[in-house]
Amino acid sequence: DAKTTQPTSMDCAEGRAANLPCNHSTISGNEYVYWYRQIHSQGPQYIIHGLKNNETNEMASLIITEDRKSSTLILPHATLRDTAVYYCIVRVGFSSNYQLIWGAGTKLIIKP
Amino acid sequence: DAGVIQSPRHEVTEMGQEVTLRCKPISGHDYLFWYRQTMMRGLELLIYFNNNVPIDDSGMPEDRFSAKMPNASFSTLKIQPSEPRDSAVYFCASSPRIQLAKNIQYFGAGTRLSVL
Repeated sequence: DAKTTQPTSMDCAEGRAANLPCNHSTISGNEYVYWYRQIHSQGPQYIIHGLKNNETNEMASLIITEDRKSSTLILPHATLRDTAVYYCIVRVGFSSNYQLIWGAGTKLIIKP
Repeated sequence: DAGVIQSPRHEVTEMGQEVTLRCKPISGHDYLFWYRQTMMRGLELLIYFNNNVPIDDSGMPEDRFSAKMPNASFSTLKIQPSEPRDSAVYFCASSPRIQLAKNIQYFGAGTRLSVL
């Protein structure tokens, strides 16, 4: 079973920051949080991941709470092409035996 | 880099026929994953390989499904015999060798399978 809960859908205006929340209250100390997105009719695409510290890359920022029970993905300046389903995932397992447990994701719609 | 390449992109077949889906992972990646995606069940991991060896096939729905990875650059997912409930989009993904925090999976474009 997925170890994360996300809102089913969200809207955001083009040019604004999109903030996507995720709850992972049962996460273990060594489990990473990953974010992927899936644009319609394409395969999922990696966005960012983190363990404890906040992370930023060219696509997004990941803010993880101090207790690690939740996180927020931030798309700083959303464009229409960011419309997609966003998956928050906890990686379980270790070394050569691990899995990404996928939930239902959040459908993000960017509106002009 | 061409990315993960899957073929065919679309497959339409009749119930009872054998279906073979193909995947070429990104060169140098040690891990290969097969997923199935449906509206009802979302994205499900079927099986994954590490260095061509199957590590976990617990997601394979039943004996009609089989997967092989004869070498580092090729994998197949076979369904025999196929049934209408197998209709889904099948994704292949590959990943570089584990580096504690960098298990990033790269997905192919998927094969949309329709079993009539």
